[in-house]
Amino acid sequence: NAGVTQTPKFQVLKTGQSMTLQCAQDMNHEYMSWYRQDPGMGLRLIHYSVGAGITDQGEVPNGYNVSRSTTEDFPLRLLSAAPSQTSVYFCASSTGTFYGYTFGSGTRLTVV
Amino acid sequence: KNQVEQSPQSLIILEGKNCTLQCNYTVSPFSNLRWYKQDTGRGPVSLTIMTFSENTKSNGRYTATLDADTKQSSLHITASQLSDSASYICVVSAGFQKLVFGTGTRLLVSP
Repeated sequence: NAGVTQTPKFQVLKTGQSMTLQCAQDMNHEYMSWYRQDPGMGLRLIHYSVGAGITDQGEVPNGYNVSRSTTEDFPLRLLSAAPSQTSVYFCASSTGTFYGYTFGSGTRLTVV
Repeated sequence: KNQVEQSPQSLIILEGKNCTLQCNYTVSPFSNLRWYKQDTGRGPVSLTIMTFSENTKSNGRYTATLDADTKQSSLHITASQLSDSASYICVVSAGFQKLVFGTGTRLLVSP
């Protein structure tokens, strides 16, 4: 089992560029979410999805878009990168929000 | 304001020793409390999940306790190993989509 796979592992962007962080899971989990982790802060929820075709905003959604066309994939799009988006991004999946989450290994993004 | 505070921020122990990490929370309503282990450069990995009615839950050498009255939890690590070096994150669920993450305790197990 691959679990939750995130690509790329590292990325450097220039301010204003756009990119997509990929997330795929092979556990047939309905629930998927994106978090960012910044130094000295707990993980913060960006966007989440409770199933294909259904997405919603989390705590810090500004500057990010998501879509969920299949159960397996949940990409995160940065529309116009800003230095404030420099962070480590984690994708997670679960059978439900009241169950344990499986996290990917993360994408370290630097915006210069 | 919903908050999860962990102590200590960092800890160094000798291999083979035991240690206890603390988590205090002010999260309402309370659904469950989770402990995760995060190795450097990796995503968090679930250790335990406890609901309101559970006082203790073990996962190998890891034992979590929960006192819902005082809103405190602890994670006890027995006979530490070098591979236990990681950050340990306490997470409290306040219901659907309301996970409150602590900032973690960074543990270093020294040979």
